[in-house]
Amino acid sequence: GAGVSQSPSNKVTEKGKDVELRCDPISGHTALYWYRQSLGQGLEFLIYFQGNSAPDKSGLPSDRFSAERTGGSVSTLTIQRTQQEDSAVYLCASSLVLADTGELFFGEGSRLTVL
Amino acid sequence: EDKVVQSPLSLVVHEGDTVTLNCSYEVTNFRSLLWYKQEKKAPTFLFMLTSSGIEKKSGRLSSILDKKELSSILNITATQTGDSAIYLCASKVQGAQKLVFGQGTRLTINP
Repeated sequence: GAGVSQSPSNKVTEKGKDVELRCDPISGHTALYWYRQSLGQGLEFLIYFQGNSAPDKSGLPSDRFSAERTGGSVSTLTIQRTQQEDSAVYLCASSLVLADTGELFFGEGSRLTVL
Repeated sequence: EDKVVQSPLSLVVHEGDTVTLNCSYEVTNFRSLLWYKQEKKAPTFLFMLTSSGIEKKSGRLSSILDKKELSSILNITATQTGDSAIYLCASKVQGAQKLVFGQGTRLTINP
């Protein structure tokens, strides 16, 4: 696609349920990132993929959070047993090679609300 | 721990004013400093700075890095209502394939 596509754009769930958020990066971008943005806050790094492997998952807040990437393309972020503090906008970004320009191309995010 | 801090967190000005947004960083093995604009949802790239003292310009926006002071500023002259957004500063660290972001500055331009 032309840009980074994320789905769903909005998700409301009950505490304790599992959710899956999907990211479809720009075609050909080998690097993929997940960030989280809580209300009024900056972007918090969660995980980075290079191809299908995740050399840096240092930002995942707990073992309830996991992510995978298949075929070097689509990525899924899964949050198990959601808690109210998980409510945030989850942003996905992709890039060719971060070292060159530092430019990440962001999707519009998935807004998660945990009741 | 790598850290990026922005100030002010919020700023309200009138159309036509000039604004200066600040960003300071404390990171190991600094590589570059980046500015993004977030209007509604997706942040969009503005500038990347690697060398101290060299100004980057794009229209009414400009930015400069001061490596001695570990800081950067983003200037916007003759502001317009369309400049209203959250401005995010981020640092890339050598050897790490990620950006560390500040909290952002919410800029509101009133007509």
